[in-house]
Amino acid sequence: DAKTTQPPSMDCAEGRAANLPCNHSTISGNEYVYWYRQIHSQGPQYIIHGLKNNETNEMASLIITEDRKSSTLILPHATLRDTAVYYCIVHITDSWGKLQFGAGTQVVVTP
Amino acid sequence: DTEVTQTPKHLVMGMTNKKSLKCEQHMGHRAMYWYKQKAKKPPELMFVYSYEKLSINESVPSRFSPECPNSSLLNLHLHALQPEDSALYLCASSDGLRTSTDTQYFGPGTRLTVL
Repeated sequence: DAKTTQPPSMDCAEGRAANLPCNHSTISGNEYVYWYRQIHSQGPQYIIHGLKNNETNEMASLIITEDRKSSTLILPHATLRDTAVYYCIVHITDSWGKLQFGAGTQVVVTP
Repeated sequence: DTEVTQTPKHLVMGMTNKKSLKCEQHMGHRAMYWYKQKAKKPPELMFVYSYEKLSINESVPSRFSPECPNSSLLNLHLHALQPEDSALYLCASSDGLRTSTDTQYFGPGTRLTVL
């Protein structure tokens, strides 16, 4: 079973920030939080990952709570092209690559 | 460049056919993966190759046969498939160094239909 819980769907207005929550209350100390997204019928796209500090890159920001039991992915200015399923995954990078995808959040950005 | 390519994009095959899916990356990655994704479901891991050797087989039926001819190529040979094997087959690669930067990069997938 997936180790994360995400809302099944979210709507967001174009140009506004999208805040995507993820609960991972059973995360262990050596597990990272990864975010991927999958635009319809395409391969998943890596967005960002972090261990305990907040992270930012050109696509998004990742805010991890101090107890690491939850996190939020922030898309600062959503565009129509950000419509996708967003997956939050906890992953041990010293394991052999088994990304365990949950159901994800379907994000729809509307004009 | 973080590109993983997959061919063909679409494949239709009968249950008695033999076909192959191909995946290629030129990022110098030493780990490569096959995932299967059914409609409206998340991807599920099938196989992991590390340094051209099979590291993980997630109890996949033998009608799916992976092959890693070299560090840049990954094949998935298909034989005697069933209609329920129809899915999007995704290839991914990562640097294989098992560090915090071991991010997986996915190809666009092959949409397989078994008649």
